[in-house]
Amino acid sequence: ELKVEQNPLFLSMQEGKNYTIYCNYSTTSDRLYWYRQDPGKSLESLFVLLSNGAVKQEGRLMASLDTKARLSTLHITAAVHDLSATYFCAPGGSQGNLIFGKGTKLSVKP
Amino acid sequence: DAGVIQSPRHEVTEMGQEVTLRCKPISGHNSLFWYRQTMMRGLELLIYFNNNVPIDDSGMPEDRFSAKMPNASFSTLKIQPSEPRDSAVYFCASRGFSGGSQYFGPGTRLTVL
Repeated sequence: ELKVEQNPLFLSMQEGKNYTIYCNYSTTSDRLYWYRQDPGKSLESLFVLLSNGAVKQEGRLMASLDTKARLSTLHITAAVHDLSATYFCAPGGSQGNLIFGKGTKLSVKP
Repeated sequence: DAGVIQSPRHEVTEMGQEVTLRCKPISGHNSLFWYRQTMMRGLELLIYFNNNVPIDDSGMPEDRFSAKMPNASFSTLKIQPSEPRDSAVYFCASRGFSGGSQYFGPGTRLTVL
């Protein structure tokens, strides 16, 4: 059974700082997805990583995937308040589904 | 594109009542997923369909829950009878092709009193 561990689960950052969220998963998966959820809202797709070594960037967020280490990272550069949200990673399961981590609640303070 | 449509957006019911949640996936998408989100358990996959056929229903909590997809543009999740522990936000998501992103609907917030 695929298990997903995100850390940290809670992250309080100051604006302008950099930080990385880690996503470890327990069994082989060749693809991984990152989602963002604002409070009381739905989930929004951020990145789709489909191969080992894949790196995607959008604004201040950069995601990478190492399938051999079963690790994905979401790096935040020069955080701004608008990035405050909960971020979920989700590796692909064997049946075509996604297995979501518990999420990292990010709070960016001025 | 209207995105994934869910109804109702909010539902308050009493224990023992039947609840039906509805989902219209994005046109052309061939996979549909039902999730439940709570503070305690996070985001859980309940069931997913591929080309209207249920592929994995191992996440359906018990026999009180049932899901159908009679055609490519409509799915229902039914709870009968409902219990207070079923209170959660229920999301429907659809996907256009294997490996693609899942697109989530706005969710239905269910409260069972």
